[in-house]
Amino acid sequence: DVKVTQSSRYLVKRTGEKVFLECVQDMDHENMFWYRQDPGLGLRLIYFSYDVKMKEKGDIPEGYSVSREKKERFSLILESASTNQTSMYLCASSPLGPYEQYFGPGTRLTVT
Amino acid sequence: GENVEQHPSTLSVQEGDSAVIKCTYSDSASNYFPWYKQELGKRPQLIIDIRSNVGEKKDQRIAVTLNKTAKHFSLHITETQPEDSAVYFCAASRDYGGSQGNLIFGKGTKLSVKP
Repeated sequence: DVKVTQSSRYLVKRTGEKVFLECVQDMDHENMFWYRQDPGLGLRLIYFSYDVKMKEKGDIPEGYSVSREKKERFSLILESASTNQTSMYLCASSPLGPYEQYFGPGTRLTVT
Repeated sequence: GENVEQHPSTLSVQEGDSAVIKCTYSDSASNYFPWYKQELGKRPQLIIDIRSNVGEKKDQRIAVTLNKTAKHFSLHITETQPEDSAVYFCAASRDYGGSQGNLIFGKGTKLSVKP
């Protein structure tokens, strides 16, 4: 079974803090994605990567950056957290495709 | 830009009835259309998908139909059960930034099945 794990299920941070969210997949997938999920807005793509050290902006990249130093690991970075970044963050991976994306359990981030 | 519209946003049915969720997409190059189910507090999981060379696909009580000319696709759930209650997302593939495998998602449909 494909396994996608995320470093935290719940996270509380203060405004202005630098926040790291980590995602690890164990299926040797080329593609990795970071989404933000808000009620009524569905899943919105923040950043994605299709190879090590490659990254591409998604639909809502402002205020975020990413890092992919190893194929299995994809990190989302909030350089200076703000209250409007309070949300559920979902990581996903897939083979080069398009194919099914496998999601992690999500990190619920609260910025106070 | 590319867009996927999903309707309705909420749907309530009696157990045993059928449920239909519809999506339209804008990118004529889209060729892969998955449907995800997200139960409360859990991650989205694929329930069925269809590619553009197929018009319909079935898996037990679930079916998906695709009309490429009209750019719309639908999820059909028959004989609904309380465990079908969840949020359902449609998605369509898109060419984006050199990646193969990028998806754009609809906003979701909250399905409630009443016993």
